Amino acid sequence: RKEVEQDPGPFNVPEGATVAFNCTYSNSASQSFFWYRQDCRKEPKLLMSVYSSGNEDGRFTAQLNRASQYISLLIRDSKLSDSATYLCVVDNAGNNRKLIWGLGTSLAVNP
Amino acid sequence: ETGVTQTPRHLVMGMTNKKSLKCEQHLGHNAMYWYKQSAKKPLELMFVYNFKEQTENNSVPSRFSPECPNSSHLFLHLHTLQPEDSALYLCASSQRTGGSYETQYFGPGTRLLVL
Repeated sequence: RKEVEQDPGPFNVPEGATVAFNCTYSNSASQSFFWYRQDCRKEPKLLMSVYSSGNEDGRFTAQLNRASQYISLLIRDSKLSDSATYLCVVDNAGNNRKLIWGLGTSLAVNP
Repeated sequence: ETGVTQTPRHLVMGMTNKKSLKCEQHLGHNAMYWYKQSAKKPLELMFVYNFKEQTENNSVPSRFSPECPNSSHLFLHLHTLQPEDSALYLCASSQRTGGSYETQYFGPGTRLLVL
């Protein structure tokens, strides 16, 4: 099993749609979880951290399910500007404190 | 944005060349990172520096040599690279390593092509 696994997509959705991404992780001891966004030919940027209780930032909602070892990202009322690759990031729970990056899920929001 | 800058943005080099990538952060951070991003692969952490000390070398071949003269500058010296080293090289910084994980801020990257 990969350390961090995402459905690469692409997800093609119309403007206004709701879309959800899941990410599974293999290390049950992981404690820190993030979603980063990477636009085409640009650098990754933090979208939001994921907290145990779940958290929301405007149209974006992140959830953590420790029992099933996955995190999710829900985007409501999609905008054209949401088109990007969404990267799931999880800590490796090791002494060397590394972050493990997923391959990313590609989202295209169409007019 | 000018938080983390990288030069050059694009680089083409032969396998016998020596070149250096430069990264500078203007955020007052204490930790800096080099990542490699190849097509169809996740980001791979290469090196971590915390307060100018290297704290991570993720089994990177010796043809990649990092240098961190101070907390604001990070270099990646390249020597006798292979075509499979062609990738996007991203520099990032964060407030510090240790304790809770902080947000990492990335530079725009250097797109490297090795011929």
